Amino acid sequence: KQEVTQIPAALSVPEGENLVLNCSFTDSAIYNLQWFRQDPGKGLTSLLLIQSSQREQTSGRLNASLDKSSGRSTLYIAASQPGDSATYLCAVGLQAGTALIFGKGTTLSVSS
Amino acid sequence: GAVVSQHPSWVICKSGTSVKIECRSLDFQATTMFWYRQFPKQSLMLMATSNEGSKATYEQGVEKDKFLINHASLTLSTLTVTSAHPEDSSFYICSADGQGAYEQYFGPGTRLTVT
Repeated sequence: KQEVTQIPAALSVPEGENLVLNCSFTDSAIYNLQWFRQDPGKGLTSLLLIQSSQREQTSGRLNASLDKSSGRSTLYIAASQPGDSATYLCAVGLQAGTALIFGKGTTLSVSS
Repeated sequence: GAVVSQHPSWVICKSGTSVKIECRSLDFQATTMFWYRQFPKQSLMLMATSNEGSKATYEQGVEKDKFLINHASLTLSTLTVTSAHPEDSSFYICSADGQGAYEQYFGPGTRLTVT
C-alpha cells in the first residue's frame, strides 16, 4: 500500500531564506506527483505537477524534483516570503484517473 | 484553466438532518470525480470515487448509506451526508479528473459543521 510521508511536519524560517520540503513515498511505481499549497480553512492550490517521466518542474521561486527510484521528491522555495506561510501537501497518483494519495503536509511559517 | 466549484462553501446543520454538497466541473467534462474528507490538522483522505452513470466506489470504513454519492452528469457530482452527527463535521473537498489531462482539479471545499 502506497504511503506518503512529509518531513518536517512544521518549519519556521526568517524571510529571505531558501528552504527545502521533503516528500517520500513507499512505492516507486507512480503516475505523477503533485505539490499543493493550503491556507488555513481553505482549499488546495496546485503548485507543481511532475509526471513520472520527468525529473523536475519549476514555477517562479518554486522548484520540485522527483527521484522515482528512491521514492523522493523535494520542493525548493527560494527567497521565502511571509506570504509563503501555509501548509504544503505532497500527493502521488498511482494511475491516470485514480485518486491522489496525500501526505500529512508541512506547515511553513515565514517570519518578517 | 480547468475550474471545479463546490456549493455550498460552508454549511451548519443540526444533528439528524441531511446535507447535500455539489461539485461541478465548470469548463470541462469529468468522467470521474473524487470526494475527500479532511479533519482539522489532518491530511486529505479519500472517501469515494464517483463515476458518471454508475455507482460510486467507497473506501474501506466509509459508510455508503450515510454518504450518498450521485454522479448524474459529466459535470456534476453530489455528496449527501444523511442523518448527520457532530463527528461528521469536517472539510469536504472534491476533485475532477479532466479528460485527457494529466492532473486532477480540486474544488475549493465545503466546511460542514453539525451541531
